[in-house]
Parts: sequence; C-alpha cells; structure tokens
Amino acid sequence: SQTIHQWPATLVQPVGSPLSLECTVEGTSNPNLYWYRQAAGRGLQLLFYSVGIGQISSEVPQNLSASRPQDRQFILSSKKLLLSDSGFYLCAWSIGTGGSNQPQHFGDGTRLSIL
Amino acid sequence: AQSVTQPDIHITVSEGASLELRCNYSYGATPYLFWYVQSPGQGLQLLLKYFSGDTLVQGIKGFEAEFKRSQSSFNLRKPSVHWSDAAEYFCAVGASGTYKYIFGTGTRLKVLA
Repeated sequence: SQTIHQWPATLVQPVGSPLSLECTVEGTSNPNLYWYRQAAGRGLQLLFYSVGIGQISSEVPQNLSASRPQDRQFILSSKKLLLSDSGFYLCAWSIGTGGSNQPQHFGDGTRLSIL
Repeated sequence: AQSVTQPDIHITVSEGASLELRCNYSYGATPYLFWYVQSPGQGLQLLLKYFSGDTLVQGIKGFEAEFKRSQSSFNLRKPSVHWSDAAEYFCAVGASGTYKYIFGTGTRLKVLA
C-alpha cells in the first residue's frame, strides 16, 4: 500500500531563517505531488505541484520554492522566512497516470511558526 | 472560473442526530468531486468521491453524498452522527484537464454529547 511521510511535524523558526520541509511517498511510482498551505478559516491554498522529476509548477508567487530531486521526494524551501509564512503545510500525492479525476492523499502536515 | 462553496462555516449537531453538510460548485462540465475530513492538527482523509454514474455515493465511516447536477451541489450526509465525527470537512472539485483541485473553505462540525 502507498504511504506518505512528511516532516518535521512541528517547526519553530525565526524570521529570516531558511526552511526545508520534506515529503516522501512510498508504494507508488511517478506520483503527482503537491504542497498546500492551510490558514485558519481559509481552506487549502495550492503552492506548488509536480507531475515528474524536476518539473515544478508554481501557483502563488512568494518567497517559497519547491524541488523534486527524486521521483517520490518533494521538498519545500525558503531562503528567508517571513512572518506571513506561518501556517500548516500539507503535502499530498495522487496517481501519476490520472489527472484531477484521481483523489489526493495527504500527509499529516507540518505546523510552521515564525517568531 | 471554477469554484467550490461551503456555505456553513460551523455546524453543531447532537450525537445521534442526522447530518448534512452543503457543497456547491461552479463548473462547466461534469466535475470530479471529493469530500475530505480533517481532524485537528492532522492531514486530510478522503471520505468519498464522485466521477460519474450513480449520483448517490457511499463512503467510509458511514458517510454518503449525492450529486445533483441541476443544483450544482454535492452534499455530504450521515444518518446518525457519532462524537468522533467532530472535525473539519472539505469539499473539493478536480479541474478537468488539469492536475489541480479546488477546495472549499471547510465546515467545522461540533458534536454535542
């Protein structure tokens, strides 16, 4: 069966520090991968998605970036965090051979607090 | 533009009562529709999905949803709510021809003992 791992679960960082959140999927090949940010009362905001190694689509211009160095690894990064980057970050995957007719499967999220 | 609306931000029901959570979508073609549940501090879990065919869809945990094209709705129902159902519920639509999904802003369910 497929599983998705996301870490760390909680992170407290000072303003201006770098960020690296990692997500890995097991049990499937060539998944579509997604990063979302969730703010209270505002639902899920799609940040990045990837349909293959090295392919990244950005949905929201900001100081975050994403990379996919391996088939089942998706990394969210920042060089300098802002206060507004605080939030709950979710990684998700869906079957690579399907489009949006396939459901997404989510990790447990990372709670990021910027001080 | 495609959109998903969940009109109720909060809903409170008594344990054992029936539940209906509303979801309306705006989409030109037949949409791909999903309901997810999120417990505090956790990720989203898929409850059910609709692509085509029977408009009444059964999901996990005793939930069901009905697709009504004429009303552009995909409401989630449960005949008898349990205290463990307290969570936030998200409706989502898959944008055809893309790899993207559009989520509603969620409905937070509180269950009274």
